[in-house]
Amino acid sequence: SQTIHQWPATLVQPVGSPLSLECTVEGTSNPNLYWYRQAAGRGLQLLFYSVGIGQISSEVPQNLSASRPQDRQFILSSKKLLLSDSGFYLCAWSVGLSYNEQFFGPGTRLTVL
Amino acid sequence: AQSVTQLDSHVSVSEGTPVLLRCNYSSSYSPSLFWYVQHPNKGLQLLLKYTSAATLVKGINGFEAEFKKSETSFHLTKPSAHMSDAAEYFCVVSDQGGGADGLTFGKGTHLIIQP
Repeated sequence: SQTIHQWPATLVQPVGSPLSLECTVEGTSNPNLYWYRQAAGRGLQLLFYSVGIGQISSEVPQNLSASRPQDRQFILSSKKLLLSDSGFYLCAWSVGLSYNEQFFGPGTRLTVL
Repeated sequence: AQSVTQLDSHVSVSEGTPVLLRCNYSSSYSPSLFWYVQHPNKGLQLLLKYTSAATLVKGINGFEAEFKKSETSFHLTKPSAHMSDAAEYFCVVSDQGGGADGLTFGKGTHLIIQP
């Protein structure tokens, strides 16, 4: 069966520090991968998606970036965190056509102080 | 283009009473529709999905939803609420015109269960 992992589960970082969040998927090949952010009291905002290794599409301009160095690994990064980067970050995967359901990881709670 | 509107930001029901979470959508193509549930500080879990088969869809934990094309609705129901149903619920639409990012999420409905 397929599983999706995210780490760390929680993170507290000072403003201006770098960020690296990792997501890995097991049990499937060539998944579509997604990064979402969920700010307090708000819905999900799609940040990045990837249809293959090295292929990244950005949905919103920001100081975050994403990379996909391996088929089932998706990394969210920042060189310098802002206070507004605080939130709950969710990774998700899907297979095949765009209108298939997505499966979500457990999330990472990021607090920027 | 596609969009989804969850008509209530908060719904409060007593334990043992029916649950109704409302969702309306718009889509240029034949849509797929989903309901997800999110418990505090957890990821989203798929409750059920509609993909142009039966219009009444049964999901996990006793939830079901009915696709009504004439009303462009996909409301989520449960006959009897349980305390463990307290969570955030998201209605999601996707149509064949979308790209790899083809899901559109509603803003969520916070379900409160009163003892």
